[in-house]
Amino acid sequence: DAGVTQSPTHLIKTRGQQVTLRCSPKSGHDTVSWYQQALGQGPQFIFQYYEEEERQRGNFPDRFSGHQFPNYSSELNVNALLLGDSALYLCASSLALTNTGELFFGEGSRLTVL
Amino acid sequence: AQKITQTQPGMFVQEKEAVTLDCTYDTSDQSYGLFWYKQPSSGEMIFLIYQGSYDEQNATEGRYSLNFQKARKSANLVISASQLGDSAMYFCAITSSGTYKYIFGTGTRLKVLA
Repeated sequence: DAGVTQSPTHLIKTRGQQVTLRCSPKSGHDTVSWYQQALGQGPQFIFQYYEEEERQRGNFPDRFSGHQFPNYSSELNVNALLLGDSALYLCASSLALTNTGELFFGEGSRLTVL
Repeated sequence: AQKITQTQPGMFVQEKEAVTLDCTYDTSDQSYGLFWYKQPSSGEMIFLIYQGSYDEQNATEGRYSLNFQKARKSANLVISASQLGDSAMYFCAITSSGTYKYIFGTGTRLKVLA
């Protein structure tokens, strides 16, 4: 049973560039959430996708956008990269209808902006 | 707004001993869930244990138990019989009905000593 997979695992970009991160949810899961984890901090909620729609968004600028595909996989796009966007980006999947709402996380994509 | 506070940046414990990691929360919601996640150096967030706000019994999962004190708004994680593989970052998180985002604390780094 494949867990949550993310790609790429590491990447380096320069300021002003654009980046796309990809996520495949755990088998059977229909909901994908994205979190940003800066060094030494806890994860911060970016947004959640369900049924190919953004269901909720955290306090992130419009430079952060996403997409969910019919197979439930998802992409996170960040435009006009800033140095402060350097972080570990975590994808988490879940089932929309669960009692506990437990999130299953991937190992993340570590983005470095120079 | 919801908030999680973890006041212990780092903790040491001797192998085979028990350790308690502190977590206090703030929420105005009546229905909420509390989670603990473990993050090893690989980056993946691993679900450990869940406590619902209406659960009367403290949650237990193997060597993990959650000491839930609702009136004090605390949800401490107790790890019994610590193992070297328990060395990692530990995050407490909260979510509630009506929202899809999880709020994480800043984490506690646990080091198990041989």
